[in-house]
Amino acid sequence: GAVVSQHPSWVICKSGTSVKIECRSLDFQATTMFWYRQFPKQSLMLMATSNEGSKATYEQGVEKDKFLINHASLTLSTLTVTSAHPEDSSFYICSARGPTYNEQFFGPGTRLTVL
Amino acid sequence: AQSVAQPEDQVNVAEGNPLTVKCTYSVSGNPYLFWYVQYPNRGLQFLLKYITGDNLVKGSYGFEAEFNKSQTSFHLKKPSALVSDSALYFCAVRASTSGSARQLTFGSGTQLTVLP
Repeated sequence: GAVVSQHPSWVICKSGTSVKIECRSLDFQATTMFWYRQFPKQSLMLMATSNEGSKATYEQGVEKDKFLINHASLTLSTLTVTSAHPEDSSFYICSARGPTYNEQFFGPGTRLTVL
Repeated sequence: AQSVAQPEDQVNVAEGNPLTVKCTYSVSGNPYLFWYVQYPNRGLQFLLKYITGDNLVKGSYGFEAEFNKSQTSFHLKKPSALVSDSALYFCAVRASTSGSARQLTFGSGTQLTVLP
């Protein structure tokens, strides 16, 4: 089956620093990737949708300058949290969908803690 | 706009008993429906989906779900619960049409606890 990986699985950083999270589709080409944020015991909230080679589409209320998304290839998307603050601490999950799939395949998630 | 409702935040069942996790949806046109399971500090694992065809869909780990168009429901079921089924379950929907409506919309999640 289709596999999506995320790296790192967890990261702790100081306030004001930037953190990059990678999302890779390991055995299929992902024309579309999605980034979600999940707070404890809550549902997944879609942050942005990215299509390979084009700019990401951000959901309302998500700061595009703070959450930089790059979908440079058909197997890799990155989310960079710039100038992170403690309120950015969360579980970030990516998912990917290939051109022939009806479903999305989810990565294992990245736990970000900003001190 | 599409939406998903999971009316129960928490479902408790005894091991060996049948379980049901409820889900209702709203979407324009024909729905694609999904169930995912999430264990603590992990990503989502796909359980099953309804795209078209038989209303009863069988998925991973003995789970099944029944698509009911008239009631706009897609309840998750299992005949005999296991303690290892204890996890957070999400129902999701998206429209079968193209465009931005193809993105998934998730329910709020239901915490299933199976008691030994």
